[in-house]
Amino acid sequence: AQSVTQLGSHVSVSEGALVLLRCNYSSSVPPYLFWYVQYPNQGLQLLLKYTSAATLVKGINGFEAEFKKSETSFHLTKPSAHMSDAAEYFCAVSAGGTSYGKLTFGQGTILTVHP
Amino acid sequence: ETGVTQSPTHLIKTRGQQVTLRCSSQSGHNTVSWYQQALGQGPQFIFQYYREEENGRGNFPPRFSGLQFPNYSSELNVNALELDDSALYLCASSRTSSLYNEQFFGPGTRLTVL
Repeated sequence: AQSVTQLGSHVSVSEGALVLLRCNYSSSVPPYLFWYVQYPNQGLQLLLKYTSAATLVKGINGFEAEFKKSETSFHLTKPSAHMSDAAEYFCAVSAGGTSYGKLTFGQGTILTVHP
Repeated sequence: ETGVTQSPTHLIKTRGQQVTLRCSSQSGHNTVSWYQQALGQGPQFIFQYYREEENGRGNFPPRFSGLQFPNYSSELNVNALELDDSALYLCASSRTSSLYNEQFFGPGTRLTVL
């Protein structure tokens, strides 16, 4: 079975500072990994996904993530935070087997950006 | 291109009642997945429909059931509502059923069970 752990339920940064949101996964097979963002009272929007091509994945809004198999990690980064980045971020892994197509999500990390 | 839409946006029910939530998939998508997001939690997979057939189910009891129609829109039905069913219900569509296809999410239906 697959699982995702997001370290830190809340992360606070200053505008212009580095954003680092941590995600570790557990999977018995090569995983497909995703980062989604959720703004208040909205659904989820895909930021980026890893599908076994390049280990450094670039997404929308200046975000990127690096797949590290040895560390079973897929941390999300952005060099310079913007006020509009304040939202909740979810890391997810795609499962196979009897739950084919299922996304397993982490608990989420709320990002606060201070002026 | 119209995105994923869900109705209603909010719903209040009492314990023991039944509810039906609706989802229209994005144009060109034949796969719909449903997720339950409790307050402060990540979404949890309920089930997926691919070409009108259930194609995977999470750890939810049988009182959670669904349908997919020929136009690929979908319904989620929940019988005998319990207080713990209060949550945001998210529908997501994708171009087809695969492990790596992006799932496009709707805005959700907020269900409150009193």
